[in-house]
Amino acid sequence: NAGVMQNPRHLVRRRGQEARLRCSPMKGHSHVYWYRQLPEEGLKFMVYLQKENIIDESGMPKERFSAEFPKEGPSILRIQQVVRGDSAAYFCASSPNANEKLFFGSGTQLSVL
Amino acid sequence: DQQVKQNSPSLSVQEGRISILNCDYTNSMFDYFLWYKKYPAEGPTFLISISSIKDKNEDGRFTVFLNKSAKHLSLHIVPSQPGDSAVYFCAASVANSGNTPLVFGKGTRLSVIA
Repeated sequence: NAGVMQNPRHLVRRRGQEARLRCSPMKGHSHVYWYRQLPEEGLKFMVYLQKENIIDESGMPKERFSAEFPKEGPSILRIQQVVRGDSAAYFCASSPNANEKLFFGSGTQLSVL
Repeated sequence: DQQVKQNSPSLSVQEGRISILNCDYTNSMFDYFLWYKKYPAEGPTFLISISSIKDKNEDGRFTVFLNKSAKHLSLHIVPSQPGDSAVYFCAASVANSGNTPLVFGKGTRLSVIA
């Protein structure tokens, strides 16, 4: 029973490029959450999705960031025109139902040069 | 505006002794609290949780205490082991809201010295 799978583990982008982060939730989980951890900071909520729907995106910057969780395939967090301040660890988590404990992936470390 | 606060960035404890990690929250609507443990280059893993209807929950060496009037919870690890060295995150949510995601503190780095 595989856990939450995130890829890539490490992603290097130059300023202005696009970053795509993928997350496959645990089997049977239809709720996906994205969190960001900046150096020396805690986990900051970005977006909560449930199959094909964005439930809460209050933590996501209004520009350049978008997320989707299609009917088939992984959830994607997309960052357009990356800037150095986007460098962080991005964690995806899933749960079988809302308000249950979250299971986290190993994260994607994004480095913007 | 931090709703969940872990005021101690780090803590060092001797092996075999008790580790006490503290967490304060400001949102009185929170009624479900969790502790996660995180090793470097890994995602957080769930450790223990407590609902606001209880004031204590125990699981092996780990016990979480909740003081609702003080809006404070703590995680006790006894006896502490070197393998417990990690960053510990406190998290909170409104369990019956349906859509409220977990809110995390900044974490406390625990070092257990052999």
